[in-house]
Amino acid sequence: DGGITQSPKYLFRKEGQNVTLSCEQNLNHDAMYWYRQDPGQGLRLIYYSQIVNDFQKGDIAEGYSVSREKKESFPLTVTSAQKNPTAFYLCASSNSWEKLFFGSGTQLSVL
Amino acid sequence: SQQGEEDPQALSIQEGENATMNCSYKTSINNLQWYRQNSGRGLVHLILIRSNEREKHSGRLRVTLDTSKKSSSLLITASRAADTASYFCATDDTDKLIFGTGTRLQVFP
Repeated sequence: DGGITQSPKYLFRKEGQNVTLSCEQNLNHDAMYWYRQDPGQGLRLIYYSQIVNDFQKGDIAEGYSVSREKKESFPLTVTSAQKNPTAFYLCASSNSWEKLFFGSGTQLSVL
Repeated sequence: SQQGEEDPQALSIQEGENATMNCSYKTSINNLQWYRQNSGRGLVHLILIRSNEREKHSGRLRVTLDTSKKSSSLLITASRAADTASYFCATDDTDKLIFGTGTRLQVFP
């Protein structure tokens, strides 16, 4: 069953804590992306990677970090430097700009 | 930076009616895409229209593109309650995709 899997579905962060959101795909896609969505808003690009061991900052990378050690995986860490982390986080993958495949998202909230 | 702006922000219609939502963008594009998002879920690709195309159909969906006005519209004909979702346009920007702010569509049975 091919697809893109995000986990966990819900995540809570305490003050000063780093948390990591998982994103795994078995679609053999080269490119992977992380977007942030605030209530009633569009998607804003955090980081993206077009190939293993390489990634670029998007529009709102401050307070976030990523790694791309394997083609299938692109985890996102929300660091304590991100002062307003509460949002819905979406991971996507693709082999071209013509169609992105999205995971089902992770809702991050602050305790 | 958000390339696309959808209009209206929200739309409520009865089942069977048509729904039209519009997208405006700022810079030149190679293609424009429309995605759908059910509440609390990821986005699903609906249709892509290239910059040299003016109109495209897929089932009950009809997309138009006017590059001179930098705008696109998505028409959903004979809407169903299951069409209730948010709809986003997305445009290519060098090496990434930029999404608009979305239109929330509510279809009442």
